[in-house]
Amino acid sequence: QSVLTQPPSVSGAPGQRITIFCTGSDSNIGAGYDVHWYQQLPGTAPKLLIYDTTNRPSGVPDRFSGSKSGTSASLAITGLQAEDEADYYCQSYDRSVNANYVFGTGTKVTVL
Amino acid sequence: EVQLVQSGAEVKKPGESLKISCQGSGYSFTTHWIGWVRQMPGKGLEWMGIINPGDSDTRYMPSFEGQVTISADKSISTAYLQLISLKASDTAMYYCARLKVASTDYFDYWGQGSPVTVSS
Repeated sequence: QSVLTQPPSVSGAPGQRITIFCTGSDSNIGAGYDVHWYQQLPGTAPKLLIYDTTNRPSGVPDRFSGSKSGTSASLAITGLQAEDEADYYCQSYDRSVNANYVFGTGTKVTVL
Repeated sequence: EVQLVQSGAEVKKPGESLKISCQGSGYSFTTHWIGWVRQMPGKGLEWMGIINPGDSDTRYMPSFEGQVTISADKSISTAYLQLISLKASDTAMYYCARLKVASTDYFDYWGQGSPVTVSS
C-alpha cells in the first residue's frame, strides 16, 4: 500500500477550481522532499505535470499549480476544462522504506 | 525529442517468462537511469525498480526483488524488464520511464506502456 494518500475522486464544473491533496508523513513530504505530479489521461501513459513541488514542464498550462505544507502537498487546477478529466498521481521519496520512489494512491478528476 | 518506445502487447500462460523492452532515443541513454512502473488493471502506479544503463547498477523495490530482472544493453539504448514464472496477478500495464535525478528524483519521460495478459 502507498505511503502517500490521495482522495479517490474529485469533481468540478467547467471553469471551477479544484484541489487534490496528497497526504504523506514525516518520512517523506514532511522530511522536506519535493513532490511531483503526473497526469494520466484515459488509456495513455502518465505524463509529468508538476516537478519539484511547484514547477511546470514546458507545455503544461499555468492552470496547474502545486504547493506543499507540512506533511501534505496539493495540486490545484483552475479554470477546469473537459480535457483535464484524468487520473492524477503524486510522487515523492520516502526514507523509511526501501522503495524509495513512492506514488500516491491516485485521484480521478471528473469534469461535470 | 526524448522518446521511450516499448515493445508490444503480450499474452502469456502461467509459469511462462517474458521480457519487455524499452528503447530510448533523443538523448544520451547512458546518462539517465531508467525505471519500471507497474499498473494493474484499474489500479495505481507502483515503482518496480531502476537501472543505470551506463554500468547496469540496479535497484529493486523489495516486493519485486526475485520476481523480476531489470537489465540494459547500452549498445542499442534499450532497457529490459524480465518477468519470470508469470502468474495471473502479473496481468498489468508495464511502463518504463526516464529518471531525472534531482533533490527528489522524478520520472520526466515515459514509454507508451506494454500491456501484459497472463491467462491459461
